[in-house]
Amino acid sequence: DGGITQSPKYLFRKEGQNVTLSCEQNLNHDAMYWYRQDPGQGLRLIYYSQIVNDFQKGDIAEGYSVSREKKESFPLTVTSAQKNPTAFYLCASSPGLAAQETQYFGPGTRLLVL
Amino acid sequence: GIQVEQSPPDLILQEGANSTLRCNFSDSVNNLQWFHQNPWGQLINLFYIPSGTKQNGRLSATTVATERYSLLYISSSQTTDSGVYFCAVEPTGRRALTFGSGTRLQVQP
Repeated sequence: DGGITQSPKYLFRKEGQNVTLSCEQNLNHDAMYWYRQDPGQGLRLIYYSQIVNDFQKGDIAEGYSVSREKKESFPLTVTSAQKNPTAFYLCASSPGLAAQETQYFGPGTRLLVL
Repeated sequence: GIQVEQSPPDLILQEGANSTLRCNFSDSVNNLQWFHQNPWGQLINLFYIPSGTKQNGRLSATTVATERYSLLYISSSQTTDSGVYFCAVEPTGRRALTFGSGTRLQVQP
């Protein structure tokens, strides 16, 4: 089945630890996105990538890093510099560079700080 | 940056009722989408609608780009319609979506 997978579903982080969230898509989409959602809030953009080996900061990039070495993969690292990482993280993809596109979302990863 | 405001923030309906959700945005946009987030967190795209009107079953949406607002209509609501409805826009000159804070809908049997 075509779609977007995120793993793990739940992730626990200790103070000072870096953790990496996985996002994979088999839709052959060029563009991929990472969002953060806090309880009762909308989604805020962390990073996005329009093409392999290129990515741009979103509205809340501080404390996060990404890579885009393969078209189908866009992992997000939550670094120790992110002081309040507890949130629901959503990955999305869209077909390409045109504005007339729908974004498709993965099931999300819930990150909790111990 | 662009501001996206959704109203009402919360809505409780009896099954079978109709409702209208509103999204106002502060600047011109290339893209506007409506999403439904179910209680487990999964986001599903409902409409891509930067202008005009679209219908899909009991749902329909209208965007008046010149007046910077969009409306989502839900008719004959069902308990499975419960969840949070988000409006998201792509401002001119930026290749990513900005989301509103959502409307939380609860449909009671």
